[in-house]
Amino acid sequence: SQKIEQNSEALNIQEGKTATLTCNYTNYSPAYLQWYRQDPGRGPVFLLLIRENEKEKRKERLKVTFDTTLKQSLFHITASQPADSATYLCALDSDTGFQKLVFGTGTRLLVSP
Amino acid sequence: DVKVTQSSRYLVKRTGEKVFLECVQDMDHENMFWYRQDPGLGLRLIYFSYDVKMKEKGDIPEGYSVSREKKERFSLILESASTNQTSMYLCASSRVLGIPEQYFGPGTRLTVT
Repeated sequence: SQKIEQNSEALNIQEGKTATLTCNYTNYSPAYLQWYRQDPGRGPVFLLLIRENEKEKRKERLKVTFDTTLKQSLFHITASQPADSATYLCALDSDTGFQKLVFGTGTRLLVSP
Repeated sequence: DVKVTQSSRYLVKRTGEKVFLECVQDMDHENMFWYRQDPGLGLRLIYFSYDVKMKEKGDIPEGYSVSREKKERFSLILESASTNQTSMYLCASSRVLGIPEQYFGPGTRLTVT
């Protein structure tokens, strides 16, 4: 069956450290993968997209990698800040057209001062 | 600034009532989506629309219907609300061309008693 897995346990790190979140998937062949940030009680906000032919993408303190052989994406936040505390969702295209996305359940990141 | 708005932030309805949730986007996007989000289950797609008057079922369409009479507006209808439809409902939109990121509304927290 098709599955997207993100670590359901919260990730606690200290300010200034690098946070690394993992997204694994099975039985999908996505053309791209996206990462979103969601704050409590609000809708997700798009952060980054990485395509299947890209190994790595960066945006300011964010870095995403995509390994289609391992079926895994890693999301890194360098020099993390308390304001980075949120839930991070990965989403991949469901390969059915219409730009339908399938979302993981998200990983909560807590950055302590 | 791009915007997706939803008609209510909080809604309380009784079992058996017909419920309308409205979503409006101002970005001239072709695609619009309705999700529900529940703890531990993540975002699940209910219905989506890729054009006016066009609709496609998502992963959990049972008990819901949708309407898209104008490009900017996408309505979700609960024909006869039940307690298991208590959830956070999120609307999103995306463009067909370019980066397929989805823009989300703030969500409607629906409670069915």
